[in-house]
Amino acid sequence: GAVVSQHPSWVICKSGTSVKIECRSLDFQATTMFWYRQFPKQSLMLMATSNEGSKATYEQGVEKDKFLINHASLTLSTLTVTSAHPEDSSFYICSANTGTGTYEQYFGPGTRLTVT
Amino acid sequence: EDQVTQSPEALRLQEGESSSLNCSYTVSGLRGLFWYRQDPGKGPEFLFTLYSAGEEKEKERLKATLTKKESFLHITAPKPEDSATYLCADGAGTALIFGKGTTLSVSS
Repeated sequence: GAVVSQHPSWVICKSGTSVKIECRSLDFQATTMFWYRQFPKQSLMLMATSNEGSKATYEQGVEKDKFLINHASLTLSTLTVTSAHPEDSSFYICSANTGTGTYEQYFGPGTRLTVT
Repeated sequence: EDQVTQSPEALRLQEGESSSLNCSYTVSGLRGLFWYRQDPGKGPEFLFTLYSAGEEKEKERLKATLTKKESFLHITAPKPEDSATYLCADGAGTALIFGKGTTLSVSS
């Protein structure tokens, strides 16, 4: 149980274009989903917290107009990187909380974004 | 400011050589201390949650323990397949604050 999927697993795009990453909870409903970014040999950095049906809460220093998050349903959240630049190249990982009274988060497999 | 510090940064063990990883945290209102395993190029895999000092949890060769300021991940008789980065995180809110991880390499 508690499986989270992400699509695509990797993507290469040209500078200036936008990329959408999907995060789905496959066997549970996720009221809250989280988006993290991880640079090589570094730990996960929280970008934003996404609640179904409401606006995402962004961490300090994360541009909300650049990283658009939509949590349209209890099983789907999307992250759109708008006008991507090479410095946005990173490993993006989503997670979800099962909402069963615990604070455990289950992570997706991640999406490797490379901007050329 | 809430912080999670892990040590050592890297650990090399021979197969069968037991050891421990450390995670210290400075958090007010702890809502759980979490351990995850992350393989290269993959998302973290949930291992354990500990909520109160003195609590212990085990899974195969791994045992996690918790004190008021630290958590330890004990690895007993590790195998090469235990090689990974082990992350701890505190849940001081709805989000998790991660340490930088300990990269474990187990050689046969």
